[in-house]
Amino acid sequence: GNSVTQMEGPVTLSEEAFLTINCTYTATGYPSLFWYVQYPGEGLQLLLKATKADDKGSNKGFEATYRKETTSFHLEKGSVQVSDSAVYFCALRGGSYIPTFGRGTSLIVHP
Amino acid sequence: DAGVIQSPRHEVTEMGQEVTLRCKPISGHDYLFWYRQTMMRGLELLIYFNNNVPIDDSGMPEDRFSAKMPNASFSTLKIQPSEPRDSAVYFCASSFSGGPKSGELFFGEGSRLTVL
Repeated sequence: GNSVTQMEGPVTLSEEAFLTINCTYTATGYPSLFWYVQYPGEGLQLLLKATKADDKGSNKGFEATYRKETTSFHLEKGSVQVSDSAVYFCALRGGSYIPTFGRGTSLIVHP
Repeated sequence: DAGVIQSPRHEVTEMGQEVTLRCKPISGHDYLFWYRQTMMRGLELLIYFNNNVPIDDSGMPEDRFSAKMPNASFSTLKIQPSEPRDSAVYFCASSFSGGPKSGELFFGEGSRLTVL
């Protein structure tokens, strides 16, 4: 079946540091890949997505590239802010249409 | 456009009581999902509906949990009787299977349940 593996958190960074959150997946066929973000006390919301190999999703300074050869979709941001502190979820949607989520990675950014 | 609306936002109840959580999906969406989130288990899919029909309830923890979707604009998740281990945040999410946003989930703000 489908699965998503994310790096364990929390990830703790200083403001303006570079961020990488690793995500790898297992799926048959060609899934769509997503990153969702959950701010404290809120539901998840879509951050970015990519629907085919080599696509790059981007939003709010975050980027992730769909790498089929390494089955990865790592999230990056060049300069994090305190307001980026949240939990980040990698997810995929395969042929069954049902999304599969990773465990989530907590990001804490200090001033 | 209104997002997914859940109620109540917070519920505190005593063990053994019935709990009903409600969800109004985004108009036009044909999939509805119920998730449970805890620190220990993360985000768990409980059940999902397609066009108001329950498709997979294998994530429902036990018979104390039930979910219904009587029409396209309303769904409930019921726990009877509730137990302290049911304490969690319950999320409803909806999505549309067609168009450019196909596969994207839109989440409500969640219902935080505490069972004493």
